[in-house]
Amino acid sequence: EDQVTQSPEALRLQEGESSSLNCSYTVSGLRGLFWYRQDPGKGPEFLFTLYSAGEEKEKERLKATLTKKESFLHITAPKPEDSATYLCAVQALSQTSYDKVIFGPGTSLSVIP
Amino acid sequence: DVKVTQSSRYLVKRTGEKVFLECVQDMDHENMFWYRQDPGLGLRLIYFSYDVKMKEKGDIPEGYSVSREKKERFSLILESASTNQTSMYLCASSLYRGSYNEQFFGPGTRLTVL
Repeated sequence: EDQVTQSPEALRLQEGESSSLNCSYTVSGLRGLFWYRQDPGKGPEFLFTLYSAGEEKEKERLKATLTKKESFLHITAPKPEDSATYLCAVQALSQTSYDKVIFGPGTSLSVIP
Repeated sequence: DVKVTQSSRYLVKRTGEKVFLECVQDMDHENMFWYRQDPGLGLRLIYFSYDVKMKEKGDIPEGYSVSREKKERFSLILESASTNQTSMYLCASSLYRGSYNEQFFGPGTRLTVL
């Protein structure tokens, strides 16, 4: 069964303390992996798309990497405004007319000043 | 920038009422989606549409229907609202059917059914 998991469930960092969030996936065939940021009470905001193992994308303090079984979202020197829930989603090959997109449960990040 | 708008941010309805949630996207995207998001359950797909007048069931379609009469507009209908449909409803759109592209989300509608 196609599955996406994220760890940790919650992460609390001091401002400037770098860390990584993990997204592990089990799918029959990977079309693409997406990272989103979601602030409380709002819709997810798109961050990155990764298509193949070894690919990396960067945006400000965030860097996403992809292997054959997992993706990492590295946060370098985080600031309080980086506090949010980070969602990972995988677009998987499907037998139906549309490739299924499976969302992970998210990691809630809190950055303390 | 892609903009996805939803008709209401907050909505309170009574059990048994018919509820309409509307979503509009302004970037000529082919695909549109309706999700609900609940604590501990994450995002779950209700319905999606890859063309006008086309619709496909997602993972949890029971109790819901959808309508897509125009490319930019996708409506979610709760035929007879129930308390277990209290949730955050999110609409999303993406560019092409069958390609690997990200979804863009609206701000969400927080629906409470009393």
